[in-house]
Amino acid sequence: EAGVTQFPSHSVIEKGQTVTLRCDPISGHDNLYWYRRVMGKEIKFLLHFVKESKQDESGMPNNRFLAERTGGTYSTLKVQPAELEDSGVYFCASSQGYYNEQFFGPGTRLTVL
Amino acid sequence: TQLLEQSPQFLSIQEGENLTVYCNSSSVFSSLQWYRQEPGEGPVLLVTVVTGGEVKKLKRLTFQFGDARKDSSLHITAAQPGDTGLYLCAGDPYNTDKLIFGTGTRLQVFP
Repeated sequence: EAGVTQFPSHSVIEKGQTVTLRCDPISGHDNLYWYRRVMGKEIKFLLHFVKESKQDESGMPNNRFLAERTGGTYSTLKVQPAELEDSGVYFCASSQGYYNEQFFGPGTRLTVL
Repeated sequence: TQLLEQSPQFLSIQEGENLTVYCNSSSVFSSLQWYRQEPGEGPVLLVTVVTGGEVKKLKRLTFQFGDARKDSSLHITAAQPGDTGLYLCAGDPYNTDKLIFGTGTRLQVFP
């Protein structure tokens, strides 16, 4: 069974540009989470989807970040326009249900220059 | 304010040595999880501890949950180079299904 996949693995963009990260959860997992780790800090929660609905987006830093999960399958996280402080590793995780084990993808390393 | 503090941040030891990593909080957690992360990969769950005072063993790894469910420890016996990695504790103190992670302990085991 395939695990959580993320694309791209690395992205280097300039300040002010737009970047879209993609996450494909494990098949059949209704719950999808986005987390990120910025340099020197701990991994922090961004948001949680249940199917296509945003269950909790309390961790989204600001309105430059937009997450979608059309159809309840894969999810995208768009940053527009990117700022220097957005650099970090963005992780996606999925789980079968509430409070079940969350399986993490390998992450996307975003560098904003 | 950091909810989950891990110590030490970095640990370099020789193969065969024992070590303990601590995860502390002022908050009560219904459960705590330990993850291991290797370069280029996401965190992988090692164990979940649920009951205060609980001890779980995974080969040479021993995990303990504090009686008050505010802290946990990970003890590795006879460390091997293959144990090298980033160890993270995490929990969901508010039952909101979003994990709060500790600051991490980076372990390097030299042959």
